[in-house]
Amino acid sequence: ETGVTQTPRHLVMGMTNKKSLKCEQHLGHNAMYWYKQSAKKPLELMFVYNFKEQTENNSVPSRFSPECPNSSHLFLHLHTLQPEDSALYLCASSLDLRTGALGYGYTFGSGTRLTVV
Amino acid sequence: AQKVTQAQTEISVVEKEDVTLDCVYETRDTTYYLFWYKQPPSGELVFLIRRNSFDEQNEISGRYSWNFQKSTSSFNFTITASQVVDSAVYFCALSELRGGADGLTFGKGTHLIIQP
Repeated sequence: ETGVTQTPRHLVMGMTNKKSLKCEQHLGHNAMYWYKQSAKKPLELMFVYNFKEQTENNSVPSRFSPECPNSSHLFLHLHTLQPEDSALYLCASSLDLRTGALGYGYTFGSGTRLTVV
Repeated sequence: AQKVTQAQTEISVVEKEDVTLDCVYETRDTTYYLFWYKQPPSGELVFLIRRNSFDEQNEISGRYSWNFQKSTSSFNFTITASQVVDSAVYFCALSELRGGADGLTFGKGTHLIIQP
């Protein structure tokens, strides 16, 4: 356990389904991130939250909708996905944005392996 | 824009061999941070090292060593006397000091296979 817990570990969903990915940390961190890891591509930053406020949306399609109800929880709501959205979705947290950039305590979860059929 | 290139997609060596993973980066900032992460089959990224742009000293930690060369914008990672447990995907990453809103920029990763 890294301190960042992601559920579920694996998810298979149809293109018309709606599902949610959950990320939880009790490290006292205030910044949380969603990354997408596709085969043979660099990890792509999707969303950034700092003290529950969204600070970054890297041109992510609207079929991905993040939610951060408090500093300990981060969700990624999925609807009408495409097969090319199949990937490993990683959540990460850091004390805040600045310490994250400095690399202090940037902690990753184990990811949710998503398959869209 | 920042960019990280890991040209080696996959490397396979026999146990006990030394192996070097290459990382080349691009940035316009003078202050930045470089990282290496290990991703075992379980999926999570495990932090290995962090280096700031003002510290070009090479670092050694057990069988791991890192060579940072600003002149060639490279931050290479060497494993000495490799072991099967070193098998994983290794990512090099870059962070510019702009408040962290851009997160980390990662390379595509190098899949390292250590054969017994």
